Amino acid sequence: GQNIDQPTEMTATEGAIVQINCTYQTSGFNGLFWYQQHAGEAPTFLSYNVLDGLEEKGRFSSFLSRSKGYSYLLLKELQMKDSASYLCAVNEEAGTALIFGKGTTLSVSS
Amino acid sequence: NAGVTQTPKFQVLKTGQSMTLQCAQDMNHEYMSWYRQDPGMGLRLIHYSVGAGITDQGEVPNGYNVSRSTTEDFPLRLLSAAPSQTSVYFCASSPWSGQGNSPLHFGNGTRLTVT
Repeated sequence: GQNIDQPTEMTATEGAIVQINCTYQTSGFNGLFWYQQHAGEAPTFLSYNVLDGLEEKGRFSSFLSRSKGYSYLLLKELQMKDSASYLCAVNEEAGTALIFGKGTTLSVSS
Repeated sequence: NAGVTQTPKFQVLKTGQSMTLQCAQDMNHEYMSWYRQDPGMGLRLIHYSVGAGITDQGEVPNGYNVSRSTTEDFPLRLLSAAPSQTSVYFCASSPWSGQGNSPLHFGNGTRLTVT
């Protein structure tokens, strides 16, 4: 079976750093994605990891440990516009679809 | 280049009615999929397709049909609407590399209410 876990909600203040964790148990692994979704809008792609280690993209970084079934999304220098849901998704096998976790709602306050 | 276009944006149905949610993409993507999103449940996969003429079921396929006669279009049909199908529906596509590293491009969603 498949299981992808993320915290339901997180809060942080402007300028801070926040880490959103994702653990997964899937029958296979062919890559992990992070998406951002603002309220009432469609998800948009943030990052992709298939090998262990850290991928950095500006203020956002994503880390993967395949042996631990664990990933995190790190957001630095938080801004109010970062208030959104962050979705972790796993591709179990090439030729199959992405399976999403339930998402983490991040609220950034001033 | 419009990306992924979903119509309608909003729809209200009565229990038992049928309808088709339209999805079209102009990026020549081989892979297309339908998700529903409910509060507290995240995005759940309904059906997907890796190319014209090929479809497969996802996690929650019951009550829905799909077909893929062209690369561009991937309509989702509700056969007999039920209140449990009240949800936001997203269509998504990606270029199919076979390696799973292609990000999904999402449409803006269809908000469906079944009364």
